[in-house]
Amino acid sequence: DAGVIQSPRHEVTEMGQEVTLRCKPISGHDYLFWYRQTMMRGLELLIYFNNNVPIDDSGMPEDRFSAKMPNASFSTLKIQPSEPRDSAVYFCASSGNSPLHFGNGTRLTVT
Amino acid sequence: GENVEQHPSTLSVQEGDSAVIKCTYSDSASNYFPWYKQELGKRPQLIIDIRSNVGEKKDQRIAVTLNKTAKHFSLHITETQPEDSAVYFCAASRAGSARQLTFGSGTQLTVLP
Repeated sequence: DAGVIQSPRHEVTEMGQEVTLRCKPISGHDYLFWYRQTMMRGLELLIYFNNNVPIDDSGMPEDRFSAKMPNASFSTLKIQPSEPRDSAVYFCASSGNSPLHFGNGTRLTVT
Repeated sequence: GENVEQHPSTLSVQEGDSAVIKCTYSDSASNYFPWYKQELGKRPQLIIDIRSNVGEKKDQRIAVTLNKTAKHFSLHITETQPEDSAVYFCAASRAGSARQLTFGSGTQLTVLP
């Protein structure tokens, strides 16, 4: 199994631009999570899905953030418009009846 | 909601010594406690987990203990090696699984050769 796959690995964009992060969970896992990691706030859960349905989005910082899961093998996290304070590493993770498996993350830099 | 506090934030030990990292949690209903290791620039990876019906679990040089009454759990690494140097995160969940994990703030462990 290739594990959780995220793209891109690095993203540099200018303030105000739209950013889309992508994730492919491990096949058969029915839970998908988006986390954000910063030095100041550590690992924060933004949103999670069960069977493609958003269950808890209380961690999404503001309306500029949105996430979708159109099918069991794909999810996106979109930031529009992006701001410098959104700079962080964004991790996607998935689980089934199993522990959490993280992807390699997307390092986002907003200038 | 759940609150997980982790101490210390940094820890340096000599190679071969033991390292202990402690976490406390606030939600008495939490019943699943994993530990993750994150090497620099890499993803967090599960190293060991424990459920609330067990007081201790061991895997080679790594062990985790849980005190439900006091609501704290600890990671013990014995015979530390330089490759143990990383950031370690504890987490807690009341869902009995990876759902709704609340993470601690992390401990930077440095093993000095």
